[in-house]
Amino acid sequence: DTGVSQDPRHKITKRGQNVTFRCDPISEHNRLYWYRQTLGQGPEFLTYFQNEAQLEKSRLLSDRFSAERPKGSFSTLEIQRTEQGDSAMYLCASSLSNYNEQFFGPGTRLTVL
Amino acid sequence: ELKVEQNPLFLSMQEGKNYTIYCNYSTTSDRLYWYRQDPGKSLESLFVLLSNGAVKQEGRLMASLDTKARLSTLHITAAVHDLSATYFCAVDPGTSGTYKYIFGTGTRLKVLA
Repeated sequence: DTGVSQDPRHKITKRGQNVTFRCDPISEHNRLYWYRQTLGQGPEFLTYFQNEAQLEKSRLLSDRFSAERPKGSFSTLEIQRTEQGDSAMYLCASSLSNYNEQFFGPGTRLTVL
Repeated sequence: ELKVEQNPLFLSMQEGKNYTIYCNYSTTSDRLYWYRQDPGKSLESLFVLLSNGAVKQEGRLMASLDTKARLSTLHITAAVHDLSATYFCAVDPGTSGTYKYIFGTGTRLKVLA
């Protein structure tokens, strides 16, 4: 295991379609985070999991967004009825605990046409 | 709400010169992280600063943390072209360490040969 992986790396979709992204954290890490980064900005926190429990969601995470981590390993982030404003890089990170640094995956770049 | 500000936002410098990037944050925190991001890439961890007065150095980069002033600096010594990237600081929004990062706006560094 060499790090956090994300799939797909790029996704182009039409407005109104649903998309799902996957994140595989570093295997022994129990915390998993999702961030969104738009062009020229720093990443913004979306949500995080400790094992399979989703413990916080940002106000940025509208009702169209849902995230899961069913067995405390990989996580999925689904966006329903995509809008052009959803176009961004979606980053996943993992850590051993809240005292450790977060390691980021390569990201999924979403383009909504 | 915690705010994290970096300055400058853009920095163009000649090779061989020294410069400092500043990261100010608005509420108490004793955990600060520096990341590097190359265009279209994810975030690479540079430094983890976990206490007041912490100083870390790696190659031409040195980071420090002053929790009383709510300030971290990233100092570049004798810059080289390979350091061209965007640098982000990120803060844990609590003294005991929590679960999410609040990122700064980023400093886009360009080192001219």
